[in-house]
Amino acid sequence: DTAVSQTPKYLVTQMGNDKSIKCEQNLGHDTMYWYKQDSKKFLKIMFSYNNKELIINETVPNRFSPKSPDKAHLNLHINSLELGDSAVYFCASSQWGADEQFFGPGTRLTVL
Amino acid sequence: ILNVEQSPQSLHVQEGDSTNFTCSFPSSNFYALHWYRWETAKSPEALFVMTLNGDEKKKGRISATLNTKEGYSYLYIKGSQPEDSATYLCASRGVNDYKLSFGAGTTVTVRA
Repeated sequence: DTAVSQTPKYLVTQMGNDKSIKCEQNLGHDTMYWYKQDSKKFLKIMFSYNNKELIINETVPNRFSPKSPDKAHLNLHINSLELGDSAVYFCASSQWGADEQFFGPGTRLTVL
Repeated sequence: ILNVEQSPQSLHVQEGDSTNFTCSFPSSNFYALHWYRWETAKSPEALFVMTLNGDEKKKGRISATLNTKEGYSYLYIKGSQPEDSATYLCASRGVNDYKLSFGAGTTVTVRA
């Protein structure tokens, strides 16, 4: 059984488009995260939700909007995509107070 | 944001040999240090979470040590096997900080 899943796995789109990436976890965790893997391979936190409430919001353009309809889902919507948005985006989850995070397989976004 | 550095960036090791590599992190306001194993085309998987100075953790042939006073951790692989080939990430978390700051990783290639 997949613990943390993301869809789609690959996303190729044109500049200016709006797209969403979905994340679901079946681990019963109450905290979810979005990371961006930059060109230097660093994993950088973008957002985190605990019990559907935003607790981390790093310096991310407001074209990026996370949405958490319930504790098991954290979606990432991106408006007006730019070339620089091309990256691999990882979703992760954890139980609040526990440190170990469980990662999804990543979504490779390519903006043309 | 904590500045986490890993060295070397990559290393090659002969099957059966042992190896180790370093993660350095700011020692002030330290809370926890994570090690993750990231195989190509897979998700990062947690290896260890360490919090106490002098901590040493072991999982099979892989072990890690922690020095919180000087701000470094070593990961050791004993008797390397081809399946140990992966990128090993460390991440640090500060006190009252909800997020992990990741290093760029050390990529280990074990030659048969």
